[in-house]
Amino acid sequence: QKEVEQNSGPLSVPEGAIASLNCTYSDRGSQSFFWYRQYSGKSPELIMSIYSNGDKEDGRFTAQLNKASQYVSLLIRDSQPSDSATYLCAVNGGGGSNYKLTFGKGTLLTVNP
Amino acid sequence: EPEVTQTPSHQVTQMGQEVILRCVPISNHLYFYWYRQILGQKVEFLVSFYNNEISEKSEIFDDQFSVERPDGSNFTLKIRSTKLEDSAMYFCASSVIPSNGELFFGEGSRLTVL
Repeated sequence: QKEVEQNSGPLSVPEGAIASLNCTYSDRGSQSFFWYRQYSGKSPELIMSIYSNGDKEDGRFTAQLNKASQYVSLLIRDSQPSDSATYLCAVNGGGGSNYKLTFGKGTLLTVNP
Repeated sequence: EPEVTQTPSHQVTQMGQEVILRCVPISNHLYFYWYRQILGQKVEFLVSFYNNEISEKSEIFDDQFSVERPDGSNFTLKIRSTKLEDSAMYFCASSVIPSNGELFFGEGSRLTVL
């Protein structure tokens, strides 16, 4: 059974600070890793994907992957109040499955003006 | 920008009734999915669908559930006899290819079973 674990938070940071979100996963065969943002009452929205070890940057967002440690993180630089949302870590692949995303429960981020 | 649309946005039903949730995936996408999220819980995979057949389903997707693509645009989830524990937000999603996990989600259909 694949598991994806995240600190539920809430994580509170001041506007302009760096927010750091972490995720671990249990299935070593997992191949693809994602961060989705979910505003309250809304659907998940993909913000980052990462497939190989190292860092991947996209604007204010940086995803980091360490497959040996089974660890994925998301850094949000210059955090804005509009970044306040729940951030979902999701994992795909492994165990013969290409079709199924396994989500963590999410970390609630609050950015204070 | 293309988007996944879902109807209804909210449905209230009595336990034991049949419910059909509808989705129109993005037009050039080939893979379709249903996920659900019970209030305060994780987003959970239900089923994936490709080339007019189920490609994978979860343990949640038992005989009470079915999916169909009745025409070239709609993708439906049917719950045959709803239970209280089926109350959740149901998200439809679609993707161009399955393995990269880059899903586009609809806004969801909230199902309340009384």
